[in-house]
Amino acid sequence: GENVEQHPSTLSVQEGDSAVIKCTYSDSASNYFPWYKQELGKRPQLIIDIRSNVGEKKDQRIAVTLNKTAKHFSLHITETQPEDSAVYFCGTGANSKLTFGKGITLSVRP
Amino acid sequence: GAGVSQSPSNKVTEKGKDVELRCDPISGHTALYWYRQRLGQGLEFLIYFQGNSAPDKSGLPSDRFSAERTGESVSTLTIQRTQQEDSAVYLCASSLDGDRGGGTDTQYFGPGTRLTVL
Repeated sequence: GENVEQHPSTLSVQEGDSAVIKCTYSDSASNYFPWYKQELGKRPQLIIDIRSNVGEKKDQRIAVTLNKTAKHFSLHITETQPEDSAVYFCGTGANSKLTFGKGITLSVRP
Repeated sequence: GAGVSQSPSNKVTEKGKDVELRCDPISGHTALYWYRQRLGQGLEFLIYFQGNSAPDKSGLPSDRFSAERTGESVSTLTIQRTQQEDSAVYLCASSLDGDRGGGTDTQYFGPGTRLTVL
């Protein structure tokens, strides 16, 4: 089955700096790549997603880049703010089933 | 509009008891998913319903776990003879049409049910 890994497992950045979280996957049939943000005790919320016919997508301070040949995609957050502190999950989708990574805890130091 | 809702929000039970968890998807969403999230862990796929098709049960960890969905509405996840390792947050998600559009559709999560087995 699909194997999804996230790197690093924890990340701490200074407010205002950029954060990059990478996700690698194994199933070449995957065609949908969402990123979810989960604050403590809350539900996962979709923050950005990308499909396999697109290489990059941007929404204000966040962007996702996809390299299908290398089977990895990354989440980029610029000008980080304390409210960006949360757990971020990447997912890969094929045939309606999503497989998630274990999550990365991002801490933004004020 | 209203999002995905789940009940109860918290459930404490004794080992060996059966529990039933409920999920109300977003109205009009044909696809419904159940996930398990253990403390500090990722989201573990359990089961997927798409309309009236046979569900994908490939993620259910044992025969103590089962789920039902009537049409394109409410779903219930049942855990029989609960064990302490079943303690987790159980999350439900729904999407507009699953994979019928030819690509995986965006999933929207409910708030989860926190299950504690004593």
